[in-house]
Amino acid sequence: EVQLVESGGGLVQPGGSLRLSCAASGFTFNRYWMHWVRQGPGKGLIWVSHIDGDGRSTTYADSVKGRFTISRDNAKNTLYLQMNSLRAEDTAVYYCARGGAYSSSPFDSWGQGTLVTVSS
Amino acid sequence: DIQMTQSPSSLSASVGDRVTITCRASQSISKYLNWYQQKPGKAPKLLIYDASSLQSGVPSRFSGSGSGTDFTLTISSLQPEDFATYYCQQSYSTPPTFGQGTKVEIK
Repeated sequence: EVQLVESGGGLVQPGGSLRLSCAASGFTFNRYWMHWVRQGPGKGLIWVSHIDGDGRSTTYADSVKGRFTISRDNAKNTLYLQMNSLRAEDTAVYYCARGGAYSSSPFDSWGQGTLVTVSS
Repeated sequence: DIQMTQSPSSLSASVGDRVTITCRASQSISKYLNWYQQKPGKAPKLLIYDASSLQSGVPSRFSGSGSGTDFTLTISSLQPEDFATYYCQQSYSTPPTFGQGTKVEIK
């Protein structure tokens, strides 16, 4: 069974940093593109970033470019999102999602989400 | 970025009703359109991929159609567990973008 478990969310002040983790199990992690998607309170889904299976190719939404860094440790089957210079508008539930063999594959498994609150 | 527009934003329906949700892309996305269901406090769940392919384990009352810019999600006979918010998403180009969602409520 595919499982994705996020952790690392919490309350942080504006300008602060946080690192999210997503522990994967039940599939061959390094064969899949992985994504971060966020959802603000009462809002819709917004794609944040993705990374290929090798960790060599990454892309970011314009709203987080230069502040967030996606990475993965295939030996630990774990996906990360390093978030710096956080703003109030980054407040959201952050989901990790499994893609497929291609960047265009649908998101067929999701974690339960981790809440990030940016507030003073 | 490709803009995805869903209609309606919300609807009220009864158990047993046939429900249709539409999604329009700002440019052609071929068949690369996916549908997700999200219940309150839960993660989204993939229902339909590539416009009309049913994800494994999803009931056959869900179906999708369309290509190019116009797409439809149909629930043939609404069940109590189908009351949720539905999102379309294009996977044709990066960044992948979602529609604003359609909330299906009990009439």
